[in-house]
Amino acid sequence: QVQLQQSGPGLVKPSQTLSLTCAISGDSVSSNTTAWNWVRQSPSRGLEWLGRTYYRSTWYNDYAESVKSRMTINPDTSKNQFSLQLNSVTPEDTAIYYCTRGGSLPGTPLDHWGQGTLVTVSS
Amino acid sequence: EIVLTQSPATLSLSPGERATLSCRASQGVSSYFAWYQQKPGQPPRLLIYDASNRATGIPARFSGSGSGTDLTLTISSLEPEDFAVYYCQQRSNWPPRYTFGQGTKLEIK
Repeated sequence: QVQLQQSGPGLVKPSQTLSLTCAISGDSVSSNTTAWNWVRQSPSRGLEWLGRTYYRSTWYNDYAESVKSRMTINPDTSKNQFSLQLNSVTPEDTAIYYCTRGGSLPGTPLDHWGQGTLVTVSS
Repeated sequence: EIVLTQSPATLSLSPGERATLSCRASQGVSSYFAWYQQKPGQPPRLLIYDASNRATGIPARFSGSGSGTDLTLTISSLEPEDFAVYYCQQRSNWPPRYTFGQGTKLEIK
């Protein structure tokens, strides 16, 4: 059974870096058939896909245009987890952040989700 | 950029009734669609993938249909636990991205 466990701070100061980690059990971050995503949710922006990392003989990353210049997703094979770093945050980055798995079903739907982390950007 | 518009924004029905939720894409492109259910304080849960396939463990009263620009989620006979917010989602191949609708809140009448 796949489970995703998120960790990271709930409060980040403006202009600083938001960092979250998602630990995977029941699957591998190095799987050749799945992808590992970050999605956030806020009242103003709704559900917003941020990016993903996946392994297909080499590592790939895709990012949403809205965060591309500020975001990095890194896999950690030694700990079977992946992380999100979002630089230069502003109050607009306040949201619930979810890690999710893009499964091997057609369309790689987001079939498993972490519990969510409410991140507030405030001084 | 594809925009997904869900209607209605709120749907008020009683248990046992049939629910029909719609999702319209701004462009008709080759892509994949899914539906999710979200309850307060919980992450979204995958219901339907590839427009019409139920995810593992999803009851048969949930069904998805449509293609191109118009999708429908139908709940044949509402159970008390079905009252929640529902989101449609589209995944495009290039540029690779997931796009979500703004949601339909299904509430008890």
